[in-house]
Amino acid sequence: GQSLEQPSEVTAVEGAIVQINCTYQTSGFYGLSWYQQHDGGAPTFLSYNALDGLEETGRFSSFLSRSDSYGYLLLQELQMKDSASYFCAVRDWTGGGNKLTFGTGTQLKVEL
Amino acid sequence: DTGVSQDPRHKITKRGQNVTFRCDPISEHNRLYWYRQTLGQGPEFLTYFQNEAQLEKSRLLSDRFSAERPKGSFSTLEIQRTEQGDSAMYLCASSPPGLAPEGHEQFFGPGTRLTVL
Repeated sequence: GQSLEQPSEVTAVEGAIVQINCTYQTSGFYGLSWYQQHDGGAPTFLSYNALDGLEETGRFSSFLSRSDSYGYLLLQELQMKDSASYFCAVRDWTGGGNKLTFGTGTQLKVEL
Repeated sequence: DTGVSQDPRHKITKRGQNVTFRCDPISEHNRLYWYRQTLGQGPEFLTYFQNEAQLEKSRLLSDRFSAERPKGSFSTLEIQRTEQGDSAMYLCASSPPGLAPEGHEQFFGPGTRLTVL
């Protein structure tokens, strides 16, 4: 099976940098993704790492270390609109499918 | 709007009733997923279709749940004899054909919020 651990809540000020960590246990690893979800909204894809290292997309970056079963999402130049829940998710090919197993999410609060 | 759409957005029902939800994926996406999300939790996988074939179903899904995708386009999720524990947001997502990363990003619909009284 799969399990993912994330901090439940992170608070930061506008303009700052915040890192959201994710550790995972999976029997068949096929990439780590990050999704953002605003209250009442749908999850939206942010980034994906299949290989070790850093992926950068604008203000957001995501890092993966497969040997440590660990990844993080880095948000720079925080804006109030970044207040949302952030989920890491692992892709699971067991059963021949393409399902994602999500963590419980990290609620990010951006303050002035 | 060319995103994933779901109908209805909200459903309130009494315990024991049957409910059916519809999902229309992005038109060129052959993969369709159903998830369930409760407050404070991440989405939980329910089932997965590739075209019209249901390739995977969560072991957590009871026999009261059934999903179809008859023509490989829209999908329906039916819950029979609803229970209060079924109250949740039911999310549909789709993704295009191909291997990662193209097949990895899933596009979610706005969800159907089910409340069972």
